[in-house]
Amino acid sequence: AQSVAQPEDQVNVAEGNPLTVKCTYSVSGNPYLFWYVQYPNRGLQFLLKYITGDNLVKGSYGFEAEFNKSQTSFHLKKPSALVSDSALYFCAVRAPGSSNTGKLIFGQGTTLQVKP
Amino acid sequence: NAGVTQTPKFQVLKTGQSMTLQCAQDMNHNSMYWYRQDPGMGLRLIYYSASEGTTDKGEVPNGYNVSRLNKREFSLRLESAAPSQTSVYFCASYGWTGGSNYGYTFGSGTRLTVV
Repeated sequence: AQSVAQPEDQVNVAEGNPLTVKCTYSVSGNPYLFWYVQYPNRGLQFLLKYITGDNLVKGSYGFEAEFNKSQTSFHLKKPSALVSDSALYFCAVRAPGSSNTGKLIFGQGTTLQVKP
Repeated sequence: NAGVTQTPKFQVLKTGQSMTLQCAQDMNHNSMYWYRQDPGMGLRLIYYSASEGTTDKGEVPNGYNVSRLNKREFSLRLESAAPSQTSVYFCASYGWTGGSNYGYTFGSGTRLTVV
């Protein structure tokens, strides 16, 4: 069965330090991978996606993610965290064979807390 | 602004009551989805509609029904609400988002409490 795992419920970092939010996936075929961010009482906002090509993907607000096929991972990174980055982050994969339907499978979410 | 609009934003129901969550998108997207979000469980797909006139079950369809009224609108109905359906519900659409990009757009959510 296809699945996405975010092994950390919460990640704590100090402002200015680099941050990593981990994501691993289990799908057959070539995955389309996404990161979304959710601020309190808001909907999901798109950060970045990997479809094909360069394994390092750059996205919104200075975030980037590295696709690693051998480790089936798609970790989200930022070189220097801001307090305003504090939010709930979701990794998602588009289910194989869903090119016409676009169903997304989500991880359970990781809360990022950036302290001043 | 173009996007996905959900109504209502908040709702409290008594056990056994029924209600319909409304969702409309103005981006001419073919595919639409209903997810529920629960703490520690991410977003789980309830139902989806790949195109106007079609609907399919997702991961957690029990207790829900949907209607794809037209290309713009995709409603979610709870016939007899249960406390286990207390959740935040998100509607989303998938399609062309400009330039050469295709992607997903999410509504702002409906926070439902069943007492």
